[in-house]
Amino acid sequence: EDKVVQSPLSLVVHEGDTVTLNCSYEVTNFRSLLWYKQEKKAPTFLFMLTSSGIEKKSGRLSSILDKKELFSILNITATQTGDSAVYLCAVEPPGSYGNKLVFGAGTILRVKS
Amino acid sequence: KAGVTQTPRYLIKTRGQQVTLSCSPISGHRSVSWYQQTPGQGLQFLFEYFSETQRNKGNFPGRFSGRQFSNSRSEMNVSTLELGDSALYLCASSLGTSGAPYEQYFGPGTRLTVT
Repeated sequence: EDKVVQSPLSLVVHEGDTVTLNCSYEVTNFRSLLWYKQEKKAPTFLFMLTSSGIEKKSGRLSSILDKKELFSILNITATQTGDSAVYLCAVEPPGSYGNKLVFGAGTILRVKS
Repeated sequence: KAGVTQTPRYLIKTRGQQVTLSCSPISGHRSVSWYQQTPGQGLQFLFEYFSETQRNKGNFPGRFSGRQFSNSRSEMNVSTLELGDSALYLCASSLGTSGAPYEQYFGPGTRLTVT
């Protein structure tokens, strides 16, 4: 069964810290890996990664994929209280044609001021 | 561009009843996926519709069903509700054309409580 494991399950940091969130998966030949941020209700799209070794950046957030070692990381630099959220990693398995995502349990990030 | 909309936002039902939830995707998006989110199981895929056809299905019982209309709007139905169906139901839309992965964008969800 396809499996996505995120770590840590939760962490608390202070404003200005840098955090690294991990996502490992037991899905071979997947089409894409996606990161989402969920604050109250709807997960908000952050990144979609399809190729190994290519970093994607958006402001203070960045993410990279290692298809050989089957993991991805999400980095957040200079954290702010607004970064407090659940960060979800999801993988699109092969053969799904469309958009059947397998999600990890998420990492709960709390940024203290 | 308007985002994904879901109605209703909150719903309270009794065991044994049935419920229908609605999702309108982003304009131009043809794929709609439904997910169930619970504290114990996290986000789990229910099914995906593309061009009015169910293209993918998760591991949920037949009480969970859906459909998609020609304007890409989708509905999901849960019959004979059980207490365990209490959850946040999210729908996500994407362009969905096969051959390439596309980002999925989520709606705000419908919070269903079964009593």
